[in-house]
Amino acid sequence: NAGVTQTPKFQVLKTGQSMTLQCAQDMNHEYMSWYRQDPGMGLRLIHYSVGAGITDQGEVPNGYNVSRSTTEDFPLRLLSAAPSQTSVYFCASSHTTSTSHYEQYFGPGTRLTVT
Amino acid sequence: QKEVEQDPGPLSVPEGAIVSLNCTYSNSAFQYFMWYRQYSRKGPELLMYTYSSGNKEDGRFTAQVDKSSKYISLFIRDSQPSDSATYLCAMSAGSNYQLIWGAGTKLIIKP
Repeated sequence: NAGVTQTPKFQVLKTGQSMTLQCAQDMNHEYMSWYRQDPGMGLRLIHYSVGAGITDQGEVPNGYNVSRSTTEDFPLRLLSAAPSQTSVYFCASSHTTSTSHYEQYFGPGTRLTVT
Repeated sequence: QKEVEQDPGPLSVPEGAIVSLNCTYSNSAFQYFMWYRQYSRKGPELLMYTYSSGNKEDGRFTAQVDKSSKYISLFIRDSQPSDSATYLCAMSAGSNYQLIWGAGTKLIIKP
């Protein structure tokens, strides 16, 4: 199993550009999520999904869109990049049972810089 | 005020020392308490998990939950340089699968 994969690993954008961060998992997890991690602020939830066709907003959704057409894929779109979106982005997945939801599997992250 | 508070450190200790890492929280609905470890430039990985109150031991690691004080701890015995990482606490009420995260404590074990 590859686990959770993310592409690209690094990206530099100019203000106003758009892009899509890719995330895929091969563990048949129902729950998938996107976090951003900034120094001193821990992991903040951007968007999440509990299954194909179902998405919802997290703590910091503004400026980002998601969709989930398959169980495996959960892309994150930046609509018009801003310097405040400079961060490390992690995709994570898990099952949705009470005995397993607490174990989230993370991808390697995407380091995004917006100039 | 954040739901979960965690001192970001860094915490620097000599090899072999006992390390204590802590988080406090405000939401009494939390039932699941986790510690994740994150090495530099990697994603977090689950280290230990505790349901409700009590202690759990796994090798050199012990997790404690005190729900009456809304306080959780992770103890590392005989610390090794390979334990140098950022340790994040996370909590869940279990109702919507979302985890609430602390800011993470950076731990440095000096050889």
